[in-house]
Amino acid sequence: TQLLEQSPQFLSIQEGENLTVYCNSSSVFSSLQWYRQEPGEGPVLLVTVVTGGEVKKLKRLTFQFGDARKDSSLHITAAQTGDTGLYLCAGDRGSQGNLIFGKGTKLSVKP
Amino acid sequence: EAGVAQSPRYKIIEKRQSVAFWCNPISGHATLYWYQQILGQGPKLLIQFQNNGVVDDSQLPKDRFSAERLKGVDSTLKIQPAKLEDSAVYLCASSLFSRGALHFGNGTRLTVT
Repeated sequence: TQLLEQSPQFLSIQEGENLTVYCNSSSVFSSLQWYRQEPGEGPVLLVTVVTGGEVKKLKRLTFQFGDARKDSSLHITAAQTGDTGLYLCAGDRGSQGNLIFGKGTKLSVKP
Repeated sequence: EAGVAQSPRYKIIEKRQSVAFWCNPISGHATLYWYQQILGQGPKLLIQFQNNGVVDDSQLPKDRFSAERLKGVDSTLKIQPAKLEDSAVYLCASSLFSRGALHFGNGTRLTVT
């Protein structure tokens, strides 16, 4: 069973469109991290959310942590071709174990 | 700062052969992780070191995988003998402290034929 479900699995959009990707679980996390991974490279941390209901913005990217700390979303406004990549969420279960990664959302932004 | 260095970048071996991967973490990072990322999946933790001690190796297939972190700095991950299902990208990551932000290397892509 996948502890962290990410959706959609694949997303192909045109430059300038908006999009939202989701990271859902039935488990509570002490924090949740979002990474972006480009082909042939390792994941790069974008943000960490810690508090239920927290919203963080990184330029055109908006991250939200669910009130119950079981889910998160990433919204991209006016997507650019440079946003193309695999978006991974990773949940920290605190004392119950290490970071758990989802399978990721593969985003393709076409010019 | 210099990032996490991994080598080799690519490796192709036949099943039942052995292979080793090397990782040099960011200077001063106490925690080092090895992850396995199979195509189409997220990274799966194989082993976590805190300095030169093992913190978590619960998902490491110990009958064929081994890892060590000499002097709490560099680390090697070995597979012996390799199986077809070991084909994956092996990512090394480090963090300043346990549960800190992970800094990943670019990985070693292993193909077992």
